[in-house]
Amino acid sequence: GIQVEQSPPDLILQEGANSTLRCNFSDSVNNLQWFHQNPWGQLINLFYIPSGTKQNGRLSATTVATERYSLLYISSSQTTDSGVYFCAVQAGTALIFGKGTTLSVSS
Amino acid sequence: DADVTQTPRNRITKTGKRIMLECSQTKGHDRMYWYRQDPGLGLRLIYYSFDVKDINKGEISDGYSVSRQAQAKFSLSLESAIPNQTALYFCATSRGWGGVQEQYFGPGTRLTVT
Repeated sequence: GIQVEQSPPDLILQEGANSTLRCNFSDSVNNLQWFHQNPWGQLINLFYIPSGTKQNGRLSATTVATERYSLLYISSSQTTDSGVYFCAVQAGTALIFGKGTTLSVSS
Repeated sequence: DADVTQTPRNRITKTGKRIMLECSQTKGHDRMYWYRQDPGLGLRLIYYSFDVKDINKGEISDGYSVSRQAQAKFSLSLESAIPNQTALYFCATSRGWGGVQEQYFGPGTRLTVT
């Protein structure tokens, strides 16, 4: 099956810093999503981005499908950005999740 | 109101008990899914349903069963709970063929089996 690898596994930032999270996947996909899991466990949809670039406020994402990777950019990070960021890909029925990047933003 | 709701949000049960987790959605989506998350890991698919008459096993279906009572309702049952089923359970929905396949998740049910 498809393998999804996220890096880095952990990231510690000061408030205001920028960061880039990476997601590599092992095969062609027809869906790629980025999620933020907040400290209460809820999964927040960030981007549906099987290809191309999207921006939403301080967050943006780019997927290069031909090279099988996606990047999530967080600019001017805030303490509320803390949590786990998951990349998930879909080639058939289910989303296949990576193990996530745990982000801690301190003030 | 939330588009995908799950009940209960938290549940503690004993080994051997039967338990049902319920999911409802108001998004009008055809497809519904149950996932499980263990600490430090991503989510894994338990069961999925493309419509009311369609039920399919996912990656980790052993020990679980499901029922699709209506387009908007999808329940997950643990017939005889065991401690290694302690996890965070998520329901999700998405459109059917021809639509964008973005999946939307409920708030999760935290299940503890003692």
